[in-house]
Amino acid sequence: LAKTTQPISMDSYEGQEVNITCSHNNIATNDYITWYQQFPSQGPRFIIQGYKTKVTNEVASLFIPADRKSSTLSLPRVSLSDTAVYYCLVGAGSARQLTFGSGTQLTVLP
Amino acid sequence: DVKVTQSSRYLVKRTGEKVFLECVQDMDHENMFWYRQDPGLGLRLIYFSYDVKMKEKGDIPEGYSVSREKKERFSLILESASTNQTSMYLCASSEHRGGASDTQYFGPGTRLTVL
Repeated sequence: LAKTTQPISMDSYEGQEVNITCSHNNIATNDYITWYQQFPSQGPRFIIQGYKTKVTNEVASLFIPADRKSSTLSLPRVSLSDTAVYYCLVGAGSARQLTFGSGTQLTVLP
Repeated sequence: DVKVTQSSRYLVKRTGEKVFLECVQDMDHENMFWYRQDPGLGLRLIYFSYDVKMKEKGDIPEGYSVSREKKERFSLILESASTNQTSMYLCASSEHRGGASDTQYFGPGTRLTVL
């Protein structure tokens, strides 16, 4: 079962690029890496998912090195509304592998 | 858009009461999940269900039970509520195999306080 480690918190300013790294040293061959975003008083919502190299969508980019032991969520030009908790989730096809870490509290300052 | 609804946003119960938390999803998803979320501990899986009347324990099933009589509805039951079950409870659903590679859709959560 891949355990994930993320920074507890990060601060940034509006307009900056933010990179949040997740460590998952014992990731398995079949595991995917998924990131969720959670605003206060709401459930988490899917942001992005990847298996290797780089994935980009309209919200974020996900960078995964060749060894896949870590991944970096990149948020371009953050705004105040990006203030949230970001969770990294690693696993594959079994719900028995669903382990969310403690998440990273991102605070965007004006 | 997938919609996952939970019966209450806030709930206050007394120690020893039987508590039902209801969750409904409208996208015909196979899998449904119950998590609890506590400060500093992230989300922890209580139970999940991959089909009607099927259920499996997650990481912290003690003190909880579940019921899935219809595909769209998944209930979490606290047989005898205790103060250490005060928490935010989140329901989720997913379409395929139910693992971490599957996108989960979460409800807004129920904040339960047990006095």
